[in-house]
Amino acid sequence: QTVVTQEPSFSVSPGGTVTLTCGLSSGSVSTSYYPSWYQQTPGQAPRTLIYNTNSRSSGVPDRFSGSILGNKAALTITGAQADDESDYYCVLIMADGVSVFGGGTKLTVL
Amino acid sequence: QVQLQESGPGLVKPSETLSLTCTVSGYSITSGYYWGWIRQPPGKGLEWIGSFYHGGNTYYNPSLKSRVTMSLDTSKNQFSLKVSSVTAADTAVYYCSRKNSGNDYFDYWGQGTLVTVSS
Repeated sequence: QTVVTQEPSFSVSPGGTVTLTCGLSSGSVSTSYYPSWYQQTPGQAPRTLIYNTNSRSSGVPDRFSGSILGNKAALTITGAQADDESDYYCVLIMADGVSVFGGGTKLTVL
Repeated sequence: QVQLQESGPGLVKPSETLSLTCTVSGYSITSGYYWGWIRQPPGKGLEWIGSFYHGGNTYYNPSLKSRVTMSLDTSKNQFSLKVSSVTAADTAVYYCSRKNSGNDYFDYWGQGTLVTVSS
């Protein structure tokens, strides 16, 4: 089964910029995989941030943006704030319709 | 506003069948979109279980397909999940979700319900 890869952890300073990535164990991520991104804080359900590579979900601040960088999908947070400290998950849609979550990235803001 | 709410037993014995229901309000489950389930073992990441479309295709996580059944109750605007032959590895918070079929992403989530598999 295809594995979706994410950095296990990342840290960013308040006000800084960080880019989290979402790759494939084999092959390159393209818009055809409909990359989406979700933010989760402890004890809460995930919150949808980005869909279809770079579209922001309703109510999501514009400091969150999505893109394709090289052979991976990417989530960039510009001007990080303390409450951005969360787990971030990407999802890719395979050609057979199967959805695969990445392992998640734990983002620390300090 | 679309809302989803999971319900079901919080404790299931090993080898038995886990059964959960998701009640949807604010949208008819027969009007489109995919509906499905995602789970998260304690302290671990999210795992997609499966999604299905009323009167259409059903997609399953290949690693769970042999043990998973999903179904709809249109009269109650609910859908359900059954996972058979459970083990401790099935202990998780289970989320029901709506999947936007146009852009292929999960746009609404339930709050989640913890199911523990233990004797």
